[in-house]
Amino acid sequence: DAGITQSPRHKVTETGTPVTLRCHQTENHRYMYWYRQDPGHGLRLIHYSYGVKDTDKGEVSDGYSVSRSKTEDFLLTLESATSSQTSVYFCAISKGTLAETQYFGPGTRLLVL
Amino acid sequence: AQTVTQSQPEMSVQEAETVTLSCTYDTSESDYYLFWYKQPPSRQMILVIRQEAYKQQNATENRFSVNFQKAAKSFSLKISDSQLGDAAMYFCAYRDSGGSNYKLTFGKGTLLTVNP
Repeated sequence: DAGITQSPRHKVTETGTPVTLRCHQTENHRYMYWYRQDPGHGLRLIHYSYGVKDTDKGEVSDGYSVSRSKTEDFLLTLESATSSQTSVYFCAISKGTLAETQYFGPGTRLLVL
Repeated sequence: AQTVTQSQPEMSVQEAETVTLSCTYDTSESDYYLFWYKQPPSRQMILVIRQEAYKQQNATENRFSVNFQKAAKSFSLKISDSQLGDAAMYFCAYRDSGGSNYKLTFGKGTLLTVNP
């Protein structure tokens, strides 16, 4: 257990609505990540953070923004949700000497109608 | 760009038997990390085992072991004495050892069924 929680765990929203997902960690890790999981694609990185206010894009960042104002919280925002953003979203943190090993939160299932 | 390939979309094994899941990867790096994650029906991603590329010895965690062939860029997972609780989707993942981007690159997964 890496002390990661995600909220909400399930959400149904409508196209065009803004949505914010929250990832909270209790162990003060520097690196945090947001992935999405879709059938046939495995997990793909959306954005990641390497410190407070330090973030960068992953491979599927279009339509998403992130913020990290505190070490423990990493927020993922869909500015205007689309049906293609229906997915399961996972937050992760890195542990290890070189922060090489990632541990995942329980995931958030998002349905955009 | 690094790629990870899991060529077996589905596998099945009898309880108490041994099964091997395959993973190959493509990279030009010499130092990196490889991982196997398990995703049961609960959808939680659980780390099973990790391997550092600079270590020649294959990693082992209880009933789980890997066969790491660096020259062949192969990283297979062996599950011994399979149990019903091993039924899950298994993902192979790769990560460079350095650089500013610490992302994991995942394969598409292998669904393991364990038959009683």
